[in-house]
Amino acid sequence: GDSVTQMEGPVTLSEEAFLTINCTYTATGYPSLFWYVQYPGEGLQLLLKATKADDKGSNKGFEATYRKETTSFHLEKGSVQVSDSAVYFCALNAGGTSYGKLTFGQGTILTVHP
Amino acid sequence: GAGVSQSPSNKVTEKGKDVELRCDPISGHTALYWYRQSLGQGLEFLIYFQGNSAPDKSGLPSDRFSAERTGGSVSTLTIQRTQQEDSAVYLCASSTKGQAYEQYFGPGTRLTVT
Repeated sequence: GDSVTQMEGPVTLSEEAFLTINCTYTATGYPSLFWYVQYPGEGLQLLLKATKADDKGSNKGFEATYRKETTSFHLEKGSVQVSDSAVYFCALNAGGTSYGKLTFGQGTILTVHP
Repeated sequence: GAGVSQSPSNKVTEKGKDVELRCDPISGHTALYWYRQSLGQGLEFLIYFQGNSAPDKSGLPSDRFSAERTGGSVSTLTIQRTQQEDSAVYLCASSTKGQAYEQYFGPGTRLTVT
């Protein structure tokens, strides 16, 4: 079945450090890929998405590129801020009969210190 | 505008009791989704509604779980004869038809079964 694997957390960084959170997936066909973020005390919200191979999703300084050859969608940010502290979830939608279903990774806790 | 709302925000119940969890989607969103977030299992898809019908119920863990949606709006997730392993945060999300990928999540209902 479809699955998403994220790098184990938690990740702790100093402000202005470079961030990478690895995400790989297994799916049949051509899924769409997403990063969702959950800030403390808030609900899940979409951070960025990519719907086909080689697409780059970007938002709030975060980027991720859909790499079909490596089945990956790693999240990056060049300079993190304290306000980026949150839990980050990689997810996929396989389409077809799973049109309405998001499959999530386990989540990665990010803490950014001043 | 108003986001997805869920009630109650917290529910504590005794093992064996039935519980109902409610979700009010964003006005105009025809698709509605239920997920469960627990420490051991991460974020799991439960069920997807398009209008009042549920084309994908594949994530419901047992026949103790059921959900309905009326008037293409409010949805209720019912858990009968609750068990301790049902303890989790139950998340509801909604989206516009054709934008199934951009799911907007509510704050969740934290269910504790004692």
